[in-house]
Amino acid sequence: SYELTQPPSVSVSPGQTASITCSGDELGDKYVCWYQQKPGQSPVLVIYEDMKRPSGIPERFSGSNSGNTATLTISGTQAVDEADYYCQAWDSSTAVFGGGTKLTVL
Amino acid sequence: EVQLVESGGGLVQPGGSLRLSCAASGFSFSSYWMHWVRQAPGKGLVWVSHINSDGSGTTYADSVKGRFTISRDNAKNTVFLQMNSLRAEDTAVYFCVRDTRTYMDVWGKGTTVTVSS
Repeated sequence: SYELTQPPSVSVSPGQTASITCSGDELGDKYVCWYQQKPGQSPVLVIYEDMKRPSGIPERFSGSNSGNTATLTISGTQAVDEADYYCQAWDSSTAVFGGGTKLTVL
Repeated sequence: EVQLVESGGGLVQPGGSLRLSCAASGFSFSSYWMHWVRQAPGKGLVWVSHINSDGSGTTYADSVKGRFTISRDNAKNTVFLQMNSLRAEDTAVYFCVRDTRTYMDVWGKGTTVTVSS
């Protein structure tokens, strides 16, 4: 079965740029979405179709996808961005999530 | 307001059954695919199943295939997940999610299922 691999944790200082990677076989040939989940809350879509931002998502969130790696980039990271982030793609009519990355802003 | 509200969770013994419901409002329900995604305590998101807009097509994760059945009633704007032969590892919060065909854009708050004796 298809797998997406994320680092368990990423740390960033306020105001700096955070990058969270998601790796999978020929991932660049698939659309990737990114979801943000804060404790006790439902996930929120922050990036879809590799690099598009839904309405209401700040411009500091951006995405890219090429080769075997997709990347979520948060520029000028704020304390409010501290959360778990999950990548997701489709493979053979099934949705696959990465294991999630805990972003710590310190 | 676009909204998904799950219900039907609870405590069930191993081997038991449970039927989850998800009531949709604020959008044209019959135009959208729908998913169930679950999250075990302290763990990540895991896709469970999806159903197409008219209910004619469904897919399942290998871990639930043969035990869970997804269905929908477009007249009542509701999607269901019938869960049979429940196991301890099915314990999780179950989220109902709307799909635009390329991304999951609206999530419910979830309903908690606990499988324990």
